[in-house]
Amino acid sequence: GIQVEQSPPDLILQEGANSTLRCNFSDSVNNLQWFHQNPWGQLINLFYIPSGTKQNGRLSATTVATERYSLLYISSSQTTDSGVYFCAVVSGGYNKLIFGAGTRLAVHP
Amino acid sequence: GAVVSQHPSRVICKSGTSVKIECRSLDFQATTMFWYRQFPKKSLMLMATSNEGSKATYEQGVEKDKFLINHASLTLSTLTVTSAHPEDSSFYICSARDLLEYSNQPQHFGDGTRLSIL
Repeated sequence: GIQVEQSPPDLILQEGANSTLRCNFSDSVNNLQWFHQNPWGQLINLFYIPSGTKQNGRLSATTVATERYSLLYISSSQTTDSGVYFCAVVSGGYNKLIFGAGTRLAVHP
Repeated sequence: GAVVSQHPSRVICKSGTSVKIECRSLDFQATTMFWYRQFPKKSLMLMATSNEGSKATYEQGVEKDKFLINHASLTLSTLTVTSAHPEDSSFYICSARDLLEYSNQPQHFGDGTRLSIL
């Protein structure tokens, strides 16, 4: 099956810093979503981005489907950005959303 | 739009008890819902795909007799953990996809249920 790898596994930032999270996948995808899981476990859907670039406030994402990777950019990070960021993909004719291992982000004041 | 409600948010119960978790799509209909399990500091693992009006499809290694899934309507799927034991303690999350959307469209997630078996 498709492999989804995220990097870095852990990231510590000072408030105000920028960061880039990466998601590599081993096969072509029909769907790619970025999620933020907050400390209470809630999974917040950040982007649905099988290809192209999208922006939402301080966050933006780019997926280069032909090269099988996606990037999530966080600018001017805030402590509320802390949590785990997951990339998840749907590949082929299947409905299944396959999650990466996540990037654990801690933003300190 | 696209709100998924999961209930209860937290359950603490004794070993041997059966626990039912509900997943509802509030403002859309879903022929397909998904159940995930998450261990501490780990990623989400798909347990089963719930299909309205038919049997659920379980992932390899998931005991179907332990984790009973019922999807009786287009807005409700339930996961029952039967005769729960401490090793069943985990965070369970459901998701749903609007039946009007193609299979490659986004899934919408509930807030999860934290299950603790004593």
